[in-house]
Amino acid sequence: SQKIEQNSEALNIQEGKTATLTCNYTNYSPAYLQWYRQDPGRGPVFLLLIRENEKEKRKERLKVTFDTTLKQSLFHITASQPADSATYLCALDMSGATNKLIFGTGTLLAVQP
Amino acid sequence: DADVTQTPRNRITKTGKRIMLECSQTKGHDRMYWYRQDPGLGLRLIYYSFDVKDINKGEISDGYSVSRQAQAKFSLSLESAIPNQTALYFCATSDLQGKGQETQYFGPGTRLLVL
Repeated sequence: SQKIEQNSEALNIQEGKTATLTCNYTNYSPAYLQWYRQDPGRGPVFLLLIRENEKEKRKERLKVTFDTTLKQSLFHITASQPADSATYLCALDMSGATNKLIFGTGTLLAVQP
Repeated sequence: DADVTQTPRNRITKTGKRIMLECSQTKGHDRMYWYRQDPGLGLRLIYYSFDVKDINKGEISDGYSVSRQAQAKFSLSLESAIPNQTALYFCATSDLQGKGQETQYFGPGTRLLVL
């Protein structure tokens, strides 16, 4: 079955440093991968989408990489700020079924001032 | 996202009761989804609808039913609530933009407690 793994432990970093979150998947080949941010008690908010034929995508301080050989995506936040503290979810399209997403459990990022 | 609203935001009910969670959207999207979120399990898809006449089961549809009353409205019902349906429920929408552009817009969630 399709499986997505994100670091279950919280990631604590110092303000100004680069945060790197990992998303690994097994058993299928997604056409694209997305990253969402979720704040406590709120719905996820879309951040970035990267397609299978793209190696890297950037948006302001955010960068996503997608390695289909390693079956892994890395999500980077440069010059991190306390306001970046949240849970970050990766999501992939379900194999063979367009327009349905399967989500990872998320990684909690805490940026210390 | 104010474009996707959910009611109620919080609900406490008893085992065996029937309850309905409602979702409305003003984004004009055709596609709507219901998820539940549990600690350690992430978001899991319950039902989804690609248009008013199209309803599909997700990975955990047992014990739930849905109704797509209009393009803008998608309701989730628990026919006979049980305690393990206690969770945070999210509605989401997306637009048909072709494969590779499928992003979803989530409502604020409904926190449900079944006693």
